[in-house]
Amino acid sequence: SQQGEEDPQALSIQEGENATMNCSYKTSINNLQWYRQNSGRGLVHLILIRSNEREKHSGRLRVTLDTSKKSSSLLITASRAADTASYFCATDAADPTASWANTPLVFGKGTRLSVIA
Amino acid sequence: SAVISQKPSRDICQRGTSLTIQCQVDSQVTMMFWYRQQPGQSLTLIATANQGSEATYESGFVIDKFPISRPNLTFSTLTVSNMSPEDSSIYLCSVATAPSSYEQYFGPGTRLTVT
Repeated sequence: SQQGEEDPQALSIQEGENATMNCSYKTSINNLQWYRQNSGRGLVHLILIRSNEREKHSGRLRVTLDTSKKSSSLLITASRAADTASYFCATDAADPTASWANTPLVFGKGTRLSVIA
Repeated sequence: SAVISQKPSRDICQRGTSLTIQCQVDSQVTMMFWYRQQPGQSLTLIATANQGSEATYESGFVIDKFPISRPNLTFSTLTVSNMSPEDSSIYLCSVATAPSSYEQYFGPGTRLTVT
């Protein structure tokens, strides 16, 4: 079953505006990762945030993590038309019986972002 | 990071046939994973492939339908057997880059259409 749930499912904004996507999950995690997918192609890794981190930045991306609420958000600032894509969060469940490296990812349903020029 | 390639990038296949998808990584990795993404959906894990051992399949996926090989630390194949239109999906391999980082990277995907 899918652990992550993103909202909104779809988001349409004007170029230059900020876009915020949210992700919720159900069980304890080691890490949470955000990915971008353009038009059904492969996934591009954007950022990883560990369970003991609360905020992380990478260029125009800002990710927050609230483990008490089991939620994360991805903020894209000053959006561009090239940011148009689907965005997914993915978690690896904290499993004390397995190495974290052996834990595959569980994906949310994704948010489709459209940035209008 | 890891650079991952997949072959073929896309294919159109007849019902009842099989297709083998190749995944090549530019460095040695312990764990490789195969995912399926049905049209308009998110990714679902098919199986985990560890070098030198049998793949571990998720509920709903069986070895007879999706046999996997993992002959070495840089290569894996996934076969989609006896295909039906319901198998039309994007198939993606990914790798875990332990111990250098916790990140997982994905190949470009194979878009399969079954007619």
